[in-house]
Amino acid sequence: SQELEQSPQSLIVQEGKNLTINCTSSKTLYGLYWYKQKYGEGLIFLMMLQKGGEEKSHEKITAKLDEKKQQSSLHITASQPSHAGIYLCGADDDTGNQFYFGTGTSLTVIP
Amino acid sequence: DAGITQSPRYKITETGRQVTLMCHQTWSHSYMFWYRQDLGHGLRLIYYSAAADITDKGEVPDGYVVSRSKTENFPLTLESATRSQTSVYFCASSESGSYNEQFFGPGTRLTVL
Repeated sequence: SQELEQSPQSLIVQEGKNLTINCTSSKTLYGLYWYKQKYGEGLIFLMMLQKGGEEKSHEKITAKLDEKKQQSSLHITASQPSHAGIYLCGADDDTGNQFYFGTGTSLTVIP
Repeated sequence: DAGITQSPRYKITETGRQVTLMCHQTWSHSYMFWYRQDLGHGLRLIYYSAAADITDKGEVPDGYVVSRSKTENFPLTLESATRSQTSVYFCASSESGSYNEQFFGPGTRLTVL
């Protein structure tokens, strides 16, 4: 089965600071998804990456997929308290029949 | 209200008891999913359904039973709850089955004593 390891497991940053969350796969990624989960709520889809080297941005959040398609990073610029939550990566397996989530990164932004 | 709802939001039960978690969506989405979320494991797919009366196992189906007699409902039953099933359970739905189009419910926090 596919394994998605996220690092760090938790992160506490001062408001205004930049931060990066990583998602590393044990296998080639065929579709990499990033989600945000507010504490006590369900997941909200952020972005999807499919091609090696692809980069997408939405407001102050940028996600990249490396050329080898085994690692993705999520970068937040000038973090705000509204960015706080749990960030999860997810990916299809090579058969397209299963979907796996990463281990999650808990982000706290201190005002 | 339109959307996807789960009930109950919190449940405490004892080992060996049967528990059913409810999921209801108002969009008539074809696909529905059940996940459990545990520290260190992220979300893991338990079961999913592509349409009424069609269900398939996910990554961790053991100990769970699902049914889908109506498109809008997808109940998850723990026939004999175990402590290892203490978790937060999320239901999701999507029209196409694509994971970027899933809408998640608010979750049910289940504790098995």
